[in-house]
Amino acid sequence: GDSVTQMEGPVTLSEEAFLTINCTYTATGYPSLFWYVQYPGEGLQLLLKATKADDKGSNKGFEATYRKETTSFHLEKGSVQVSDSAVYFCALRSSNYQLIWGAGTKLIIKP
Amino acid sequence: GAGVSQSPSNKVTEKGKDVELRCDPISGHTALYWYRQSLGQGLEFLIYFQGNSAPDKSGLPSDRFSAERTGGSVSTLTIQRTQQEDSAVYLCASSFIDREQFFGPGTRLTVL
Repeated sequence: GDSVTQMEGPVTLSEEAFLTINCTYTATGYPSLFWYVQYPGEGLQLLLKATKADDKGSNKGFEATYRKETTSFHLEKGSVQVSDSAVYFCALRSSNYQLIWGAGTKLIIKP
Repeated sequence: GAGVSQSPSNKVTEKGKDVELRCDPISGHTALYWYRQSLGQGLEFLIYFQGNSAPDKSGLPSDRFSAERTGGSVSTLTIQRTQQEDSAVYLCASSFIDREQFFGPGTRLTVL
C-alpha cells in the first residue's frame, strides 16, 4: 500500500541555518504531495503542495519539489527563524482521497 | 471565512462510556474526513464522506467506531465503550473534491 517516510526528529538548528527535511513515498501512480505544519498548541496547516512531477510548491520561504525519479518531496528553507519551530508532516493523497502521513519531524530552532 | 470547527475541544471520559465528537466543515465543502493523531500511531485516516456517496470506512479501527454526516454538512464521530487506547486527538478536515484538506483544531480525547 501507499506509504510516506520522513526523517526522524527532532532536528535542531540555529537561526539562519539551512533546513532540509527528507520525505520519500511509495505509491501507485503519481499522487499529490503535501507538507503540513503544526505549530505548538495549534492545528494542522497546509504549508505547500505539488500535484505532478517536477512541480515545486512554495510558501513562507519553504520549498519542495516533486521528484518522480527518486519518489521524494524534500522540504527546504534557506534561512530558518525561531518562529519556524514546529512539527512538519509530509503526506500524499491516495487514490481514495485520504491522506497518508509520514511520522512527523519536530523542528527546533535556537536563537 | 469560517474554518473547520470541532467540539468539544477536550473530552475526558471513563473507560466503557460512549462519546460523540462533532465536526462543522467549511461551508460548501463536499468532502469530510476524520483522522486520529496519537503518540504511538501518528496520524491515521478513519473515515471519508463525499457528497451523498457511501462513506469510506476503511480506516475505522473497530466496530466501536462509527460516524455519520447529516445533510451533507455536520458530522459526528461516535466511539462506543471507550478504551484507554482510544485516547488521542481526533481531527476533522474538509475539502472540495480532489483539493487540499483544511483541518479543524481537533478534539483531545482522554479515556481514564
